Amino acid sequence: EAQVTQNPRYLITVTGKKLTVTCSQNMNHEYMSWYRQDPGLGLRQIYYSMNVEVTDKGDVPEGYKVSRKEKRNFPLILESPSPNQTSLYFCASSLFGEGYNEQFFGPGTRLTVL
Amino acid sequence: ILNVEQSPQSLHVQEGDSTNFTCSFPSSNFYALHWYRWETAKSPEALFVMTLNGDEKKKGRISATLNTKEGYSYLYIKGSQPEDSATYLCAFREAAGNKLTFGGGTRVLVKP
Repeated sequence: EAQVTQNPRYLITVTGKKLTVTCSQNMNHEYMSWYRQDPGLGLRQIYYSMNVEVTDKGDVPEGYKVSRKEKRNFPLILESPSPNQTSLYFCASSLFGEGYNEQFFGPGTRLTVL
Repeated sequence: ILNVEQSPQSLHVQEGDSTNFTCSFPSSNFYALHWYRWETAKSPEALFVMTLNGDEKKKGRISATLNTKEGYSYLYIKGSQPEDSATYLCAFREAAGNKLTFGGGTRVLVKP
């Protein structure tokens, strides 16, 4: 089954404790992206990657890191989480090239930073 | 940060009625406009990707139109059903860029 998976789905942590949210897709998509969703603000893009070893900042990259060492995986790293990073996070992937391609979203990760 | 706006933020529709709502985006440097449907406790799912001015797309009772010159897209739901209740998101991609900018969404509640 074609899918995007994220782990963990739920996480409660404390300020400053490094964490990684994994994202994996099995559709051989070039483009992968991370979004955060906050009430009243819609989905905001954090980082995206157009292929292995190619990453770029979205609109809200501060406090986050990403890596793309393999085509299927695109982990999101919070080196020192803070309460303002409490949010619902989505990973998404799509084909790249023409740029018209729809995004396939993972199930979401709800993160709470105390 | 690009300005992509959706209106209204929410609307209530009686079952069987038709409705429509708007996505506004920059009229310059247009590349593509996406529509997604997002049900509660699920992930957003793509409805349409629109690229050409005057484009019209249809999927079942849902359709969308695109005006790139004036920077807006309409999403229509004909004969709304309770299962149409969801948040509908539009997303804009500008030319010469790879970022996707989402609007805040229109939350639709269809009352039986």
